[in-house]
Amino acid sequence: AQSVTQLGSHVSVSEGALVLLRCNYSSSVPPYLFWYVQYPNQGLQLLLKYTSAATLVKGINGFEAEFKKSETSFHLTKPSAHMSDAAEYFCAVSDRGSRNDMRFGAGTRLTVKP
Amino acid sequence: DAGVIQSPRHEVTEMGQEVTLRCKPISGHDYLFWYRQTMMRGLELLIYFNNNVPIDDSGMPEDRFSAKMPNASFSTLKIQPSEPRDSAVYFCASRQGGWNSPLHFGNGTRLTVT
Repeated sequence: AQSVTQLGSHVSVSEGALVLLRCNYSSSVPPYLFWYVQYPNQGLQLLLKYTSAATLVKGINGFEAEFKKSETSFHLTKPSAHMSDAAEYFCAVSDRGSRNDMRFGAGTRLTVKP
Repeated sequence: DAGVIQSPRHEVTEMGQEVTLRCKPISGHDYLFWYRQTMMRGLELLIYFNNNVPIDDSGMPEDRFSAKMPNASFSTLKIQPSEPRDSAVYFCASRQGGWNSPLHFGNGTRLTVT
């Protein structure tokens, strides 16, 4: 079965600094990968998704992620952090062999310091 | 588009009581998912439906939990009897299409069992 591992349950950056949130996946077939963001007291919202059309995927709010098959990774980045980026971020994987469900990583809480 | 609607937003109940959580998916979406989120276990898939039919309920913790989807616009998750360890945030999500489509989440129901 497919799975994702998010390295680092907490990441803290200064405002204006680079954001890097790590995600590695495990899948026996080419996966579809997603990043979601969760703000306090809200549900998860889609940031971006990888669907094999391009390895570098751009999402909302200036985030992007690069699919690297050789490293089985799909790390999320943003060049310059903003205070409003403080939230929890989830990587998720779905593939043909998954009977159409979606599995989430444990999440990474991003703190942005002024 | 009103999004996925969950009710109630908060539920406080005593151990042993029956709890019913409700979900209205986005119109036209053919998949519906129930997730549970806790600090200890993160986001867990409980059950999902396709065209109102339960596909995988292997995540349902025990027989105290049951879910139904009587029609395309409504689903319930019931816990009977409830226990303090059931305290969590329960999310409903819907999707149009299969494994390469993103999920759309509701804002969740925060359940507290005392």
